Amino acid sequence: AQTVTQSQPEMSVQEAETVTLSCTYDTSESDYYLFWYKQPPSRQMILVIRQEAYKQQNATENRFSVNFQKAAKSFSLKISDSQLGDAAMYFCAYRTDPNTGFQKLVFGTGTRLLVSP
Amino acid sequence: DGGITQSPKYLFRKEGQNVTLSCEQNLNHDAMYWYRQDPGQGLRLIYYSQIVNDFQKGDIAEGYSVSREKKESFPLTVTSAQKNPTAFYLCASSIVTGGGRRETQYFGPGTRLLVL
Repeated sequence: AQTVTQSQPEMSVQEAETVTLSCTYDTSESDYYLFWYKQPPSRQMILVIRQEAYKQQNATENRFSVNFQKAAKSFSLKISDSQLGDAAMYFCAYRTDPNTGFQKLVFGTGTRLLVSP
Repeated sequence: DGGITQSPKYLFRKEGQNVTLSCEQNLNHDAMYWYRQDPGQGLRLIYYSQIVNDFQKGDIAEGYSVSREKKESFPLTVTSAQKNPTAFYLCASSIVTGGGRRETQYFGPGTRLLVL
């Protein structure tokens, strides 16, 4: 079974600085998707970024980028120029092979990001 | 605006009572999902549905039931058999593209269920 591990329960960053959140996963599959979701105090899950495993190029979305290391099964999220609005829980999630039946999202336990002025 | 709505925002359940959480989407998504979130944990899948009148159990379906009579709606009932229902419940939906690929899941705002 696939597992997702976020080893940092909490991280802190100052405004305008850069922070990296870690995520590792375990799978025997070769084709899958990886996601980072943000959960602010409102508790709604918001998609931040996604990565297809077959793509070697790291995904980027404005200030958010990932470092996808397929061989190491690592998928870290880098937030540049941090803003107060980035403060939230961040969840890493794995989704199984998209071409073989139902694909379940498997979530890590989350990393709480604190942003200070 | 298109999106996913969940109601109520807060729900209180008495011992032995069944309660139903509503999830509606106007995104024309085929697939819908229910997740449970407990403190310090990630989301866990309760039930999912890929098409109308069809649904499947997820990892923690015991004590829950669902229906999918309309594409837009996927209500979740927490039955009295669920002994520890206090949690945050999130509904999600996604499209289903050709070849069975299911695209990114988008989430509703959630319902917090508390036991009196």
